Amino acid sequence: GEDVEQSLFLSVREGDSSVINCTYTDSSSTYLYWYKQEPGAGLQLLTYIFSNMDMKQDQRLTVLLNKKDKHLSLRIADTQTGDSAIYFCAALSTGDDKIIFGKGTRLHILP
Amino acid sequence: NAGVMQNPRHLVRRRGQEARLRCSPMKGHSHVYWYRQLPEEGLKFMVYLQKENIIDESGMPKERFSAEFPKEGPSILRIQQVVRGDSAAYFCASSSDPGAFFGQGTRLTVV
Repeated sequence: GEDVEQSLFLSVREGDSSVINCTYTDSSSTYLYWYKQEPGAGLQLLTYIFSNMDMKQDQRLTVLLNKKDKHLSLRIADTQTGDSAIYFCAALSTGDDKIIFGKGTRLHILP
Repeated sequence: NAGVMQNPRHLVRRRGQEARLRCSPMKGHSHVYWYRQLPEEGLKFMVYLQKENIIDESGMPKERFSAEFPKEGPSILRIQQVVRGDSAAYFCASSSDPGAFFGQGTRLTVV
């Protein structure tokens, strides 16, 4: 089945760009997602990308997909303190319609 | 994600009692996922349902756990004879192509 991996921690200075990386195993995954979870809260769907796309930009967020390497990244430009959260990468596993999540990357903003 | 309603937000149960977690999906969504999140971990898939039908329950423990999504009313995740290891945040999501939208979760504490 699908397996999604991401690094657990990232520290970035306020104003810099944050890049969170993720790898997945199922090459037939159709949709890949980024979710944000703030402390004590649910998951907020930040953005998603369809597997036939290489890049998607939405304001400060840029998603890059390298389908050959099964690598997904989320870039947050001009990182702010409000961006401090856990970011989950997820993939829609085709055939069984399950969304499989990584363990999440905790983004810490340095002043 | 405000459209997916979960209740209660917090639930305390003594060992051996039953826990019932409810989820009302977003309007127009007929599919529901349940996930469990343990402290400092990602989300583990439990079950995927549509109204009156379990599509995939491969992530559900074989004993004590059950889920339903009746024709009328919310989806229910039921945990019988709870144990301390059941303490976790349980998230429900309702799906609409292409994304899944999450509720705020129910935090179950077993004492």
